[in-house]
Amino acid sequence: GESVGLHLPTLSVQEGDNSIINCAYSNSASDYFIWYKQESGKGPQFIIDIRSNMDKRQGQRVTVLLNKTVKHLSLQIAATQPGDSAVYFCAENRTGRRALTFGSGTRLQVQP
Amino acid sequence: DAGITQSPRHKVTETGTPVTLRCHQTENHRYMYWYRQDPGHGLRLIHYSYGVKDTDKGEVSDGYSVSRSKTEDFLLTLESATSSQTSVYFCAISESEGGNYEQYFGPGTRLTVT
Repeated sequence: GESVGLHLPTLSVQEGDNSIINCAYSNSASDYFIWYKQESGKGPQFIIDIRSNMDKRQGQRVTVLLNKTVKHLSLQIAATQPGDSAVYFCAENRTGRRALTFGSGTRLQVQP
Repeated sequence: DAGITQSPRHKVTETGTPVTLRCHQTENHRYMYWYRQDPGHGLRLIHYSYGVKDTDKGEVSDGYSVSRSKTEDFLLTLESATSSQTSVYFCAISESEGGNYEQYFGPGTRLTVT
């Protein structure tokens, strides 16, 4: 069935570098996308979201880009810090529903 | 954790026994969700609720039932626990206005079925 997935299971970056986490989705009917950060032993924490009528949205040190043509979503983290080390999930909401579908996650490791 | 508590936080139970997990919110949000998370997987939706006594199935609902008799509480029941239901269970809540679909998650319950 249709699902949200991620290209890379683990991403290792140097502290201070920018990180880019990618996500592919297959349902063109999705109208909302969201990124979560999950630290070990904790519940997912909201980072940033974007609606399908937007291409880009910026937050504090984070930017989400949405390319509907190729059904691709990315999360950019500027000046990555050790505290950014976590698993990151993308999720989509399909039009007409109120339930998110999650990808399998990417682990971000920040090297000092 | 946005005014969400889950109880118990850890539980070990035997195969065949009933188990109920509780999610409690203080945010008065309309929507509540139960997910399970297993190694190598993201979060998979079990059931969700869109109001008191209003619930719907998610993608992995077999073997689970839910109830919501009050806005603040959403219960997940495993009628007869199996080893395949060993997992970490997360509850989430969401508002209903303005097209905001973000969900806020509780701390999780680690369930082990032996």
